[in-house]
Amino acid sequence: GAVVSQHPSRVICKSGTSVKIECRSLDFQATTMFWYRQFPKKSLMLMATSNEGSKATYEQGVEKDKFLINHASLTLSTLTVTSAHPEDSSFYICSASPGAMVAADTQYFGPGTRLTVL
Amino acid sequence: QQQVKQSPQSLIVQKGGISIINCAYENTAFDYFPWYQQFPGKGPALLIAIRPDVSEKKEGRFTISFNKSAKQFSLHIMDSQPGDSATYFCAALTSFGNEKLTFGTGTRLTIIP
Repeated sequence: GAVVSQHPSRVICKSGTSVKIECRSLDFQATTMFWYRQFPKKSLMLMATSNEGSKATYEQGVEKDKFLINHASLTLSTLTVTSAHPEDSSFYICSASPGAMVAADTQYFGPGTRLTVL
Repeated sequence: QQQVKQSPQSLIVQKGGISIINCAYENTAFDYFPWYQQFPGKGPALLIAIRPDVSEKKEGRFTISFNKSAKQFSLHIMDSQPGDSATYFCAALTSFGNEKLTFGTGTRLTIIP
């Protein structure tokens, strides 16, 4: 099956610093990638949708200047949390889809990145 | 606005028993209903999915029952095993709409020996 990786799996940073999380589709080209945020024992909340070569579409309430998304190639999307604060601590999960027309059965999830901001 | 409601929040089932998780949706434009399984510290993995043109889909020990008129669907895990202990999320999607998954709130399933 299709594999999506995320790096790093865990990151601890100081308040005020920026953190970059990478999402890679290892064996397919991902036209669309999604970034989710998940709080402990909670559901996944979609943050943004990115298509290769174009600007990301952010969900209502998500600060685009704080959560910078770059989908520069068909196999890589990055999420940068700028000037991170403790309230940004969360589990960030990406998913990737090989087609422009997304269906759930072609949306593959990464293993997630645990961000802790001190 | 919570568009997909999931229950129960947590569930304990004895090994060999049947685990049942229920979801209800509001948006009639949803036309694809997947279930995801998530283990602690991992991303969700697609378990089984159904479209509204059928009322039931079975894959191994996992069955989805779908009631279009009631706008409800459920996951049944037969012969539940300790390895099934995980958090389960239902979701819904509009194939020809914004194509974004809307997740339920999740059910933490624990299978006891």
